[in-house]
Amino acid sequence: SAVISQKPSRDICQRGTSLTIQCQVDSQVTMMFWYRQQPGQSLTLIATANQGSEATYESGFVIDKFPISRPNLTFSTLTVSNLSPEDSSIYLCSVTAQGHYPSHNEQFFGPGTRLTVL
Amino acid sequence: DAKTTQPTSMDCAEGRAANLPCNHSTISGNEYVYWYRQIHSQGPQYIIHGLKNNETNEMASLIITEDRKSSTLILPHATLRDTAVYYCIVRVARTGANNLFFGTGTRLTVIP
Repeated sequence: SAVISQKPSRDICQRGTSLTIQCQVDSQVTMMFWYRQQPGQSLTLIATANQGSEATYESGFVIDKFPISRPNLTFSTLTVSNLSPEDSSIYLCSVTAQGHYPSHNEQFFGPGTRLTVL
Repeated sequence: DAKTTQPTSMDCAEGRAANLPCNHSTISGNEYVYWYRQIHSQGPQYIIHGLKNNETNEMASLIITEDRKSSTLILPHATLRDTAVYYCIVRVARTGANNLFFGTGTRLTVIP
């Protein structure tokens, strides 16, 4: 399994500023994922972060708006840049690790970071 | 990955079985059915998964129809703590890039 922590747990930011979210995992993982969950909505994958290479972004998400760092196998950051009220969401970090069944990897999620943009 | 269809919301009396349906009529032969749930203000949590046989663990049972076009997650004795959004996801089980794509899910409310 994997235990994931995120910092900050919540923040309130002003329009035009940026917020960097940290994700720490208690074990080494190859890939880390960042999701966004807008109010009342389901989760949407933003990007996949590989250690030692650039992140891979999903359609509708760009590096300039959501730069990601992955300096080692247990840590990643997501920055949400040039904030607007539409960026108010919960941002979740996720990893794949061995879970209940040896032949299957499960996906584990952090508690999320609740961002409110004024 | 195949799409899924779930009811938007369901209610269940505390102590009764909660049966959550999921349609996945376009599922491929190598795709598994996964269930996750998201309790308010938490990240999603794995519940169970299966390919074609029914599965049971300490949390729930998963019933998959013979044609694999639909499935039902069963919480045998629902408690108030089972109130959550339940996501049915179908995808190929593989190592490496196992990112999940979430649909809208079913909001289950367990009523005292």
